[in-house]
Amino acid sequence: AQKITQTQPGMFAQEKEAVTLDCTYDTSDQSYGLFWYKQPSSGEMIFLIYQGSYDEQNATEGRYSLNFQKARKSANLVISASQLGDSAMYFCAMREGRTGNQFYFGTGTSLTVIP
Amino acid sequence: GAGVSQSPRYKVTKRGQDVALRCDPISGHVSLYWYRQALGQGPEFLTYFNYEAQQDKSGLPNDRFSAERPEGSISTLTIQRTEQRDSAMYRCASSLTAGTGGIDEQFFGPGTRLTVL
Repeated sequence: AQKITQTQPGMFAQEKEAVTLDCTYDTSDQSYGLFWYKQPSSGEMIFLIYQGSYDEQNATEGRYSLNFQKARKSANLVISASQLGDSAMYFCAMREGRTGNQFYFGTGTSLTVIP
Repeated sequence: GAGVSQSPRYKVTKRGQDVALRCDPISGHVSLYWYRQALGQGPEFLTYFNYEAQQDKSGLPNDRFSAERPEGSISTLTIQRTEQRDSAMYRCASSLTAGTGGIDEQFFGPGTRLTVL
């Protein structure tokens, strides 16, 4: 079974609108961490936001927020007021507690923001 | 404030040759990771180190792949007898702590694009 599933290979968003990128995960651990990374066309990997499994509040970081629904095992990324510069690949990742520091990445979602 | 660096950035080699890819993590970072990323895919875990100790090498595809981090800083990923299917972006990442929980995000290097002809 896939540890991280991103079901949207590609998405379009209108500039200034909010966009949600889906991510579901699979783990039997109680302790785990969820991450989102952005990869623009330049190829770098940019850390965006983190959610710990024990965090009760949804993580927020500027225009990014993580909609964490533990029972559903989902960790969707919400980008508010999208900008042209948000066009990139977005990867959801998980670190399981019992496997130490191994990260599992999803296949990514390509977001294109249009004016 | 240097980030993670990797060299070379691009490597073209002939099938059957050995290649060595270098990663220089952020100074003071305990953990170092190697990933392989195919075009249009997410990074695929290969192996990781805490200090000089290789903690997990379960992602290495076969015994042609090996990695070391002898002094707990710079790491080398070596691919022996390269094959065309080894062509990919090889990324290195480092993190400050050693899997003790918390945010502990990984900082990625720019990658080495390996092409095996």
